[in-house]
Amino acid sequence: DVVMTQTPPSLSVAIGQSVSISCKSSQSLVYSDGKTYLHWLLQSSGRSPKRLIYQVSNLDSGVPDRFSGTGSQKDFTLKISRVEAKDLGVYYCAQTTHFPRTFGGGTKLELK
Amino acid sequence: QIQLVQSGPELKKPGESLKISCKASGYTFTDYAMQWVKQAPGKGLHYMGWINTQTGKPTYADDFKERFVFSLEASATTAYLQINNLKNEDTATYFCASRFAYWGQGTLVTVSS
Repeated sequence: DVVMTQTPPSLSVAIGQSVSISCKSSQSLVYSDGKTYLHWLLQSSGRSPKRLIYQVSNLDSGVPDRFSGTGSQKDFTLKISRVEAKDLGVYYCAQTTHFPRTFGGGTKLELK
Repeated sequence: QIQLVQSGPELKKPGESLKISCKASGYTFTDYAMQWVKQAPGKGLHYMGWINTQTGKPTYADDFKERFVFSLEASATTAYLQINNLKNEDTATYFCASRFAYWGQGTLVTVSS
């Protein structure tokens, strides 16, 4: 199985700050069609996960451009600029290139 | 709008079985596979597998090849997760998801004697 390693496991942030979360995979996430199926999800407290970014850098509808995703092959980053209170929760990276799909361990974003 | 609505919470005893439903609406059900994800209390997301909504063929991740059954009622745009011979470690919230873009609200399953 592809192991997804997310760091840091938790982040304390002040409103308005910017943060980055790293996600590294044990294998390349480039599929045979040339696309990279690495996604970012946010799970707010008590809620189901919500996809924010798909295929490394594409924002889902309604996601503010304060969120951005970069990376390639095995190394990916989610950046949140000007953090707002509604951004708090647990962020997961997820890969759907290989079966079984796998998730990172999560990064909990909390208020400082 | 696209929605996945799951059945309500379940309280079961070890050895019993249950069946969770996931009703899809707002899109053509057979266009996308349905995924299933387990989240134990206070833990991360654990992928269980998927079911082909055109053929009904399920594919299970290794940890879920025993006791777990994915099925469909395509005419009702509904996917099901059945868990047989429940164990304490099955206590978790179970999510259905389409492409990981759309998620059900989760079904809390508690297994306790």
